[in-house]
Amino acid sequence: DAMVIQNPRYQVTQFGKPVTLSCSQTLNHNVMYWYQQKSSQAPKLLFHYYDKDFNNEADTPDNFQSRRPNTSFCFLDIRSPGLGDAAMYLCATSIGGNEQFFGPGTRLTVL
Amino acid sequence: DQQVKQNSPSLSVQEGRISILNCDYTNSMFDYFLWYKKYPAEGPTFLISISSIKDKNEDGRFTVFLNKSAKHLSLHIVPSQPGDSAVYFCAVRYNFNKFYFGSGTKLNVKP
Repeated sequence: DAMVIQNPRYQVTQFGKPVTLSCSQTLNHNVMYWYQQKSSQAPKLLFHYYDKDFNNEADTPDNFQSRRPNTSFCFLDIRSPGLGDAAMYLCATSIGGNEQFFGPGTRLTVL
Repeated sequence: DQQVKQNSPSLSVQEGRISILNCDYTNSMFDYFLWYKKYPAEGPTFLISISSIKDKNEDGRFTVFLNKSAKHLSLHIVPSQPGDSAVYFCAVRYNFNKFYFGSGTKLNVKP
């Protein structure tokens, strides 16, 4: 089945230790998104790739970076995680600006 | 500032009755509106959408209503079923392929 896969599902890191979350898709969608969702809050868009073009949200901290080496894969790098970065990170894909297909998310814990 | 608000964190409905989930937004420039459904341990799944040029869209038991003058979006589920129990997010599109989400409403359909 075509899908969006996120690995790992649970990630534990230490304060200040770089961490990378990964997302892959078999849908061949041209747009890939990263969202941060904290408990009982709305998913918040961090950035997205439209094809190879990177689009950062104005309020996304510099601590968050992303890479998209090819159509299928997209990575979220957190350079120096703080306690406030503990959250669920959701990856999504879409064709253009249409409805999004989400992965199951990666829950990040920062110790 | 929240661009999209779902003011009811939870809603409980009897099986067979109507469920009405509400969403308010701030900006009249949003052009596409969506509802997603989320089960525990899964990512959000697209449910139904509506363009800003319409005021109603129906898909089986699900109907979305858009009131542009009030900047209000609602989702009606008729009849409600226990399998509809989930968290429902509304989302709005801006700048062609970016999205704001609400914080979600947890629907419980009682048998």
